[in-house]
Amino acid sequence: EAQVTQNPRYLITVTGKKLTVTCSQNMNHEYMSWYRQDPGLGLRQIYYSMNVEVTDKGDVPEGYKVSRKEKRNFPLILESPSPNQTSLYFCASSPAPRTLNTEAFFGQGTRLTVV
Amino acid sequence: AQSVAQPEDQVNVAEGNPLTVKCTYSVSGNPYLFWYVQYPNRGLQFLLKYITGDNLVKGSYGFEAEFNKSQTSFHLKKPSALVSDSALYFCAVRDPWGNTPLVFGKGTRLSVIA
Repeated sequence: EAQVTQNPRYLITVTGKKLTVTCSQNMNHEYMSWYRQDPGLGLRQIYYSMNVEVTDKGDVPEGYKVSRKEKRNFPLILESPSPNQTSLYFCASSPAPRTLNTEAFFGQGTRLTVV
Repeated sequence: AQSVAQPEDQVNVAEGNPLTVKCTYSVSGNPYLFWYVQYPNRGLQFLLKYITGDNLVKGSYGFEAEFNKSQTSFHLKKPSALVSDSALYFCAVRDPWGNTPLVFGKGTRLSVIA
């Protein structure tokens, strides 16, 4: 089954304690991206990756890191989480542009609370 | 840079009535346009897309959307709303000649009242 898998689904942590949210896709997609969803703000892009070892900042990259060492995995790293990073996070994958089957597939989300 | 606007935060409609959720976009060239739905405590699910061809696109769960290039709009419609359609709906755009992934609107919460 084609899917994007995020872990964990729920996480409560303390300010400053490094954490990683994992994301894995089994569709051999080139593109992967991270979004955060906040009430009234919709989905805002944090980082995206066009392929292995290629990453770019999205609209709200501050406080986050990513890596793309393998095509299927795109972890989101918070080196020193702060309360303003409390949010619902989504990982997505999609084929490269200029293809017809270009819709993105989303993970189930990770609800992060930083206290 | 591409952008999407969903002018309504909330849309209320009675069950059985037609529904419309509005979306306008800005992108250079011909866009790829998408609608996604998010049910409570769930991820985003793909509903439909416009890539090329017929301006009226049909998707999942009886939804359809009409691409209007002159008005730069891509409104989501359904002839007869169901209570189970109540959810958060997101419009998204992708520039097929750019390198960035999807850009989303802020979402519209649809409430269908029995």
